[in-house]
Amino acid sequence: QVQLQQSGPGLVKPSQTLSLTCAISGDSVSSNSAAWNWIRQSPSRGLEWLGRTYYRSKWYNDYAVSVKSRITINPDTSKNQFSLQLNSVTPEDTAVYYCARESTIFGVVIPFDYWGQGTLVTVSS
Amino acid sequence: QSALTQPPSASGSPGQSVTISCTGTSSDVGGYNYVSWYQQHPGKAPKLMIYEVSKRPSGVPDRFSGSKSGNTASLTVSGLQAEDEADYYCSSYAGSNFGVFGTGTKVTVL
Repeated sequence: QVQLQQSGPGLVKPSQTLSLTCAISGDSVSSNSAAWNWIRQSPSRGLEWLGRTYYRSKWYNDYAVSVKSRITINPDTSKNQFSLQLNSVTPEDTAVYYCARESTIFGVVIPFDYWGQGTLVTVSS
Repeated sequence: QSALTQPPSASGSPGQSVTISCTGTSSDVGGYNYVSWYQQHPGKAPKLMIYEVSKRPSGVPDRFSGSKSGNTASLTVSGLQAEDEADYYCSSYAGSNFGVFGTGTKVTVL
C-alpha cells in the first residue's frame, strides 16, 4: 500500500520560500513507472497542478506555466522522498498543498491515484 | 490555462442517479481521452474515482461511471448513497499545459 506523508511549515512570510517534503512508502521515488506531483487547492484558484518529477533513465521535471519561474521539485533518493520549493511567495500562494502519485501500468497512465494528507500553508507576515 | 467548467451543485435522493458535466475545449477534454474524476470529502484529500474517461480504479463501486462527448465529459453516480455526498472534480490532460482541473461540483444527497 502506497502512503505519502507530507511535512513542512504551515506559515511562510511574504517574499520568502515555501518548502514542503513528501515521504514515500510502498513505492520508490526512482520508479520507472511513477511520477511525483505537487498540487494545491485554494478557494480562489481551486485545484491547481504545480509540477512533477520522475525518473526514466534520468530525472525529468515538468512545471505549470503559472509558477515555472518560482518552483523547484527535487527527488531525494537517499530518503525516498521529494520536495517542493516555491520562491517569492505572496498571500495568493496561500493554499492546501498536496503531493500525489501518477502511475503507469502497461502503458496506461493512472493520474493521482495516491495523495498525501495535505498541508495548509498560509502566507502572512 | 482556464479551469474546466462544472455546475456548482447537483443533488438527488438516495437510490436516484445524478450526472455531473465537465466542459472544456478541444485543447483538453475534447482532444484527449485522459479525463479523470475525483471525489473529495470535507477536510480530506481528493480520491480518484474515474480515469481515462470511463475506467474505474480497483475498489471504486460500479455505481460510478464516466463518459465523454466532444468537449464535455460526464460523471454519473447511480443508486446514490449518503456517503456519496461530497465535492467532485474533473481533470483533463491539456497537452503542453499538462493538466487542468474543473471548478468542482458539490453533490448533495437529499
